[in-house]
Amino acid sequence: GAGVSQSPSNKVTEKGKDVELRCDPISGHTALYWYRQRLGQGLEFLIYFQGNSAPDKSGLPSDRFSAERTGESVSTLTIQRTQQEDSAVYLCASSLVSAWSGGEQFFGPGTRLTVL
Amino acid sequence: GENVEQHPSTLSVQEGDSAVIKCTYSDSASNYFPWYKQELGKGPQLIIDIRSNVGEKKDQRIAVTLNKTAKHFSLHITETQPEDSAVYFCAATNYGQNFVFGPGTRLSVLP
Repeated sequence: GAGVSQSPSNKVTEKGKDVELRCDPISGHTALYWYRQRLGQGLEFLIYFQGNSAPDKSGLPSDRFSAERTGESVSTLTIQRTQQEDSAVYLCASSLVSAWSGGEQFFGPGTRLTVL
Repeated sequence: GENVEQHPSTLSVQEGDSAVIKCTYSDSASNYFPWYKQELGKGPQLIIDIRSNVGEKKDQRIAVTLNKTAKHFSLHITETQPEDSAVYFCAATNYGQNFVFGPGTRLSVLP
């Protein structure tokens, strides 16, 4: 079946603009995760959803970042007033149940965001 | 908050040898410890994980051990193969809270 998909695959934007990144999880997966990976660096956990709710938003880097999920399906990560330090690959993953409850995470291909 | 350290940052082994990567964490409430493999130009892939109620888990050539008292966990790869070459990340979290990754270990398996 289809895996996790993300769009766009690449996004180039100007500093100060807003961007919206989309994640389509595997159908039926209740848990959805967002990560960020700056070039040559490690993974940074941003937020996860159990169903449509996000129990903990403290991983979001600043109040310019927000995420939502509707219908236990698609999720969008929005970055307002983008800054150059937001440039990174944004990865989405989903799992049938949460990873810490035994669900296996499947990752999407990522969205490469470049802020000029 | 949680802090995860990972060592070594780079590791080279001969094909067929074993590789061990160690991580330490600071938050005693952490109860889920995954390991991810990331090949060059690709996204991460979960390869094994362990929960705080067990001390060891094995999946073919890969094993993870957890010492909750000392707050450290390790990834063991036996009979390494060139396709094991990648960057490996450990992480720790308490049911999705304080989900922190280690800085990564670049493993090179030399033929």
